[in-house]
Amino acid sequence: AQSVTQLGSHVSVSEGALVLLRCNYSSSVPPYLFWYVQYPNQGLQLLLKYTTGATLVKGINGFEAEFKKSETSFHLTKPSAHMSDAAEYFCAVSEPKAAGNKLTFGGGTRVLVKP
Amino acid sequence: KAGVTQTPRYLIKTRGQQVTLSCSPISGHRSVSWYQQTPGQGLQFLFEYFSETQRNKGNFPGRFSGRQFSNSRSEMNVSTLELGDSALYLCASRGQSGNTIYFGEGSWLTVV
Repeated sequence: AQSVTQLGSHVSVSEGALVLLRCNYSSSVPPYLFWYVQYPNQGLQLLLKYTTGATLVKGINGFEAEFKKSETSFHLTKPSAHMSDAAEYFCAVSEPKAAGNKLTFGGGTRVLVKP
Repeated sequence: KAGVTQTPRYLIKTRGQQVTLSCSPISGHRSVSWYQQTPGQGLQFLFEYFSETQRNKGNFPGRFSGRQFSNSRSEMNVSTLELGDSALYLCASRGQSGNTIYFGEGSWLTVV
């Protein structure tokens, strides 16, 4: 069975500082990996995804993530935080080439951006 | 093109009642899945439908059920509501050729 661990349920960063959100997964095979963002009272918006190919993935809003198979990690970073980045972020995995669209999510990390 | 549409957005029900939530996937998407989001349990997979057939099911009691119509629209039903069913219910869809799963805005259910 797959599982996802996000280290830190809350992260506080200053505006302009680096944002680093950690995600580790457990899976019998390298899964597909996703980061979603959820703003208050909204659904989930895809930030970026890794399926195959280049392990450094760039997404929307200046975010990027690197897949490290040896560390079973997919950490999300953004060089300079903006006030609009305040939201909850979810890391998720799915079984590669599976017919279905079942995602297994981490517990989420809520980001607070201080002015 | 339009995204995943969920109705209603907000609803309040009484314990013991039943509720039906609706989801229209992105045009052309035939796979629809449902998730429950609560503060305590986080995001949990309920079930997935493809071409009107349930393809995957999560670990939820039989009170939670769903169906999909020929136009790919899906409904989920929760019978005999309990207070713990209060949650945000999210619907997601995926196209056949892609591996990106798109989510709707969700339906907020409060059980009193």
